[in-house]
Amino acid sequence: QKEVEQNSGPLSVPEGAIASLNCTYSDRGSQSFFWYRQYSGKSPELIMSIYSNGDKEDGRFTAQLNKASQYVSLLIRDSQPSDSATYLCASGGGTYKYIFGTGTRLKVLA
Amino acid sequence: DTGVSQNPRHKITKRGQNVTFRCDPISEHNRLYWYRQTLGQGPEFLTYFQNEAQLEKSRLLSDRFSAERPKGSFSTLEIQRTEQGDSAMYLCASSMGGFNSPLHFGNGTRLTVT
Repeated sequence: QKEVEQNSGPLSVPEGAIASLNCTYSDRGSQSFFWYRQYSGKSPELIMSIYSNGDKEDGRFTAQLNKASQYVSLLIRDSQPSDSATYLCASGGGTYKYIFGTGTRLKVLA
Repeated sequence: DTGVSQNPRHKITKRGQNVTFRCDPISEHNRLYWYRQTLGQGPEFLTYFQNEAQLEKSRLLSDRFSAERPKGSFSTLEIQRTEQGDSAMYLCASSMGGFNSPLHFGNGTRLTVT
C-alpha cells in the first residue's frame, strides 16, 4: 500500500511564528508533491507544488523536498490566525493516482 | 476558468435509496477524479477518468458505486442502495494531466445517509 504520512496534530504556534509541517511518502516512484489547505467543512485548496529536490518559495510559504529521505515539508512564515486549517500533503505522478495524507491540523494562536 | 463545479452541495437520503452526484470539471482539463473524505481523514481515491475512459477504480469501491463521464465532459457518481457508512464528503477534482499537474477540487457534495 503506497502511503503518505502526516502527524495529525494539532500543531499550535503563536501568531507571527514559523509553522513547520512535515510529510513522508513510501512510493519512490512519486514525482510530484502538493500541499493543500482545507478549512473545516470546505474542500482542499492548492497552496504549493514541488517536483525537484530543494526549496520552493511562494510568499509566506516554502515547500521543501528531499527525495532521498522521501520527505516533504511546508514552512509557513509569519503565521496568521487565518492560516488555522488542516494541511494535506499529497503525492502524485507515478500512476496518476494522487495519494493524500490524513492532514495536519494547524492552530495559530492570536 | 470557472473552477470545478459539483452538484448538489448537500444530499440527505434514507438508507437503501440511490443517489447521483454531478461534477463539471475545468473545461480544458482532460482528467477527472472522484475522492471520498470522512471526518479526520484525507481524501480517499475512488476513481479517475482520462477523457471518457475510466482508467482506474479503487478496490475499496463496492459494486454499488458507479461513475461515468460521457463524451469526456461532466461526470456522474451514482451510489445504489446507500448505507450509513456511505455518509461522507464526495470530492471531484480535475487536472490537465501530466506528472506535474495538481488537482483542482470542487466544493464537494456532502452526503448524509439516515
